Amino acid sequence: AQKITQTQPGMFVQEKEAVTLDCTYDTSDPSYGLFWYKQPSSGEMIFLIYQGSYDQQNATEGRYSLNFQKARKSANLVISASQLGDSAMYFCAMREGLDGTSYGKLTFGQGTILTVHP
Amino acid sequence: DAGVTQSPTHLIKTRGQQVTLRCSPKSGHDTVSWYQQALGQGPQFIFQYYEEEERQRGNFPDRFSGHQFPNYSSELNVNALLLGDSALYLCASSLGYMSFFGPGTRLTVL
Repeated sequence: AQKITQTQPGMFVQEKEAVTLDCTYDTSDPSYGLFWYKQPSSGEMIFLIYQGSYDQQNATEGRYSLNFQKARKSANLVISASQLGDSAMYFCAMREGLDGTSYGKLTFGQGTILTVHP
Repeated sequence: DAGVTQSPTHLIKTRGQQVTLRCSPKSGHDTVSWYQQALGQGPQFIFQYYEEEERQRGNFPDRFSGHQFPNYSSELNVNALLLGDSALYLCASSLGYMSFFGPGTRLTVL
């Protein structure tokens, strides 16, 4: 069964510094996709970045990058140049059997609360 | 292009009542999934609809049921509400591997 583990309940970072949010996953399926979402206090889940299991390079989206280490089954999110607006809950998620379709559930971790200090 | 919309935003019900939550997916998205998020937890998958059929279901009792309409919009129905059903209910619409979430409906059961 697929499982996502986020071991950092809370993280603090100074504005303009970089921060890494940890995520490890477990799956027996060779094909899967990894996602990071941001959830502000308003509740909406905002997509940040995606990494496919067969992607050779780490994904990047603006200030977000995903440090994908397949052998270690980790998919850490790196946020560069933190901003006050980055303060939110961050979730790592996985979908197994990714073949370009939307079939299947997303399994989420417990989340990490990020607080950016001025 | 409008994103995923959900209604109502907030809802207060009492134990034993029934509730219907609604979701309109992003334009062109044919798959809708529903998630329950308890306070301080990650979202838990309830079920997924595609072409008006439930094609995958999570570990939720039969009190949770759904429907997808020909225009791809969807409803989540919960019968015989329990206090433990209090949560944020998120709808996600998908096209390909991407899933986009709505703002959620916050349900409080008293």
